[in-house]
Amino acid sequence: QKEVEQNSGPLSVPEGAIASLNCTYSDRGSQSFFWYRQYSGKSPELIMSIYSNGDKEDGRFTAQLNKASQYVSLLIRDSQPSDSATYLCAVKGTGGFKTIFGAGTRLFVKA
Amino acid sequence: GAGVSQTPSNKVTEKGKYVELRCDPISGHTALYWYRQSLGQGPEFLIYFQGTGAADDSGLPNDRFFAVRPEGSVSTLKIQRTERGDSAVYLCASNAPAGSLQETQYFGPGTRLLVL
Repeated sequence: QKEVEQNSGPLSVPEGAIASLNCTYSDRGSQSFFWYRQYSGKSPELIMSIYSNGDKEDGRFTAQLNKASQYVSLLIRDSQPSDSATYLCAVKGTGGFKTIFGAGTRLFVKA
Repeated sequence: GAGVSQTPSNKVTEKGKYVELRCDPISGHTALYWYRQSLGQGPEFLIYFQGTGAADDSGLPNDRFFAVRPEGSVSTLKIQRTERGDSAVYLCASNAPAGSLQETQYFGPGTRLLVL
């Protein structure tokens, strides 16, 4: 079992729709959770972080965390073609330093 | 100041050669990470520095890989006897506050290493 798992996609949604990206993790003691966006040929950039159960909203983005289910998700409302990228889920485990990334989900937003 | 910078941006070498990859973190960031990213995969953790010391080097794949950060700023990742399987993009990231669970890692543009 991989430490952080994501559906590789591609996930295709029409412009204006809600894109839902999911991630599960294996380390039950994990405390910090991140969503990064990576455009092709570019470096990852942080778009959301979440540390406690529930929802966290920032503009069009909402991160959801359920530690009991070891599940974290990212919702993108009113998806735009510029949101087309690979979305990486990252988890910081009990050790405190090491950040484990999933393989990423490719998102395509069709105009 | 400026963001994280990495040099060179591209490096082509032959199997068996030695390479050094450099990372300049954001000024004042005491925490520094090295990752390796292969095509279609997420970044793979290699090593974490807190100041000058390697706080966690558990991700280094074998003893051909070594990293230093002698003055707590610039870091160099060193790969000896390169193998074709070392070909990847090597990413550096820095963050503040150092070691905090609540952190934003800022990534550099990466060094694309190709071992022929």
